[in-house]
Amino acid sequence: DQQVKQNSPSLSVQEGRISILNCDYTNSMFDYFLWYKKYPAEGPTFLISISSIKDKNEDGRFTVFLNKSAKHLSLHIVPSQPGDSAVYFCAASGLNYGGSQGNLIFGKGTKLSVKP
Amino acid sequence: GAVVSQHPSRVICKSGTSVKIECRSLDFQATTMFWYRQFPKQSLMLMATSNEGSKATYEQGVEKDKFLINHASLTLSTLTVTSAHPEDSSFYICSARFSVSQETQYFGPGTRLLVL
Repeated sequence: DQQVKQNSPSLSVQEGRISILNCDYTNSMFDYFLWYKKYPAEGPTFLISISSIKDKNEDGRFTVFLNKSAKHLSLHIVPSQPGDSAVYFCAASGLNYGGSQGNLIFGKGTKLSVKP
Repeated sequence: GAVVSQHPSRVICKSGTSVKIECRSLDFQATTMFWYRQFPKQSLMLMATSNEGSKATYEQGVEKDKFLINHASLTLSTLTVTSAHPEDSSFYICSARFSVSQETQYFGPGTRLLVL
């Protein structure tokens, strides 16, 4: 039973346009959400995070939006660049979500391809 | 961002041998380190949580006698795959966290294990 879902396995976007990566979760006890970027045969790189007390967090070209009532978050990348091509993982955490304390639960990832 | 290293980056071994993978936090002290495993085109699966000076906490289905974890210091955790078999071939990634209150995990570059 997946608690964090990324329903789109892949996304293709033209350079300069906006990339929107979506993530849904089922456990209402999650209170911290993160996005990681991963290249093949490398470890994930932390991109941006958001606490459940906020609905938006912005860092340069990356913005994460959180809709708690819908249990949905999204990562916006604008403008998209070819170097953004990678697999993006959504992860969720919470001190009292029922699992091991502080552990991250990952989605399956979305492969983003930004075409020049 | 925080730097986490892993060694070796790639290892090929014969069935029945043991393999040790090191995970180091280079510029911070990590109270907690995590070990993940990733199969091709799958998400990161948490194997165990390692706290400095105490026994590791293993996730359900992970054999603790098979995957030995030692967190000897605040900057080093090791994962030993004992009596490796071909089905243990995978990509192993560690991560580290500053403190219990800090939920962001920083990942190492991963270790590709191939058991012949």
